[in-house]
Amino acid sequence: DGGITQSPKYLFRKEGQNVTLSCEQNLNHDAMYWYRQDPGQGLRLIYYSQIVNDFQKGDIAEGYSVSREKKESFPLTVTSAQKNPTAFYLCASSIEGSGANVLTFGAGSRLTVL
Amino acid sequence: GENVEQHPSTLSVQEGDSAVIKCTYSDSASNYFPWYKQELGKRPQLIIDIRSNVGEKKDQRIAVTLNKTAKHFSLHITETQPEDSAVYFCAASRGSGGSNYKLTFGKGTLLTVNP
Repeated sequence: DGGITQSPKYLFRKEGQNVTLSCEQNLNHDAMYWYRQDPGQGLRLIYYSQIVNDFQKGDIAEGYSVSREKKESFPLTVTSAQKNPTAFYLCASSIEGSGANVLTFGAGSRLTVL
Repeated sequence: GENVEQHPSTLSVQEGDSAVIKCTYSDSASNYFPWYKQELGKRPQLIIDIRSNVGEKKDQRIAVTLNKTAKHFSLHITETQPEDSAVYFCAASRGSGGSNYKLTFGKGTLLTVNP
C-alpha cells in the first residue's frame, strides 16, 4: 500500500492530551517528512528528517515533536502546546540525493480535538 | 524562505475542455517544480515534474511549462475527463543537498470536470 503506513487513520483527543501519530516506511528511503493539511491551506511542513537521529523544523513546528531512531520510522507527537491541532496529517518519504525530491505519501491520519 | 502562490483556488471545466493552473515562486534558487494530484480521500501523488534546465515537459494529456525569468510555472491538462477531478498542488524546491531539497507547496486548486 505505497510502502508508507500511517496509523491510526482517525484519532480523537481531548484538550490537554499529547498524541503520537505513527509513520512507518519499507521503501528504504533516507528522508521522511510530516505535513499538515488544512482546507485551503495546502500542505505545510512540520518536521523533516534526512537521516537517522537527525531532524529539522519545518515551517510550522511549534507544538509538535518528532524522533528518528530508526530509518523506517518517524513518529509525530502533537503536544498540548499545539493551539489548533485538528487537521489531516500526512507523512511522506523520499530518496536523499536523488536530485529531485519525489515524495511518496502515506494515507494520512485525521486528528480531531474534542 | 520560498513562497509559492497558486491560482485559481477552484476551477470548473466541461469534459473535453482544457484546464490551466498557474503557480509563482519567490526563491530564484529553486530549480525543481513538481505537481501532485490528490483525489478525494486519497493521498497526494506526483503526476509530473520539471527542472529548471527545461522549459516544457509533456506526458500524454498533461504538460508543465516553466518561465524562470518570470518565476512562474503552469500545469496544462488537455481533453479533460471526469477522473481528472481532484485537488492539484504545485511545489518548488532547490533540489537535493542539505535542507535545499525540502518542498514548499502551493495552497492547491480544486479542479472539477463536469461530464
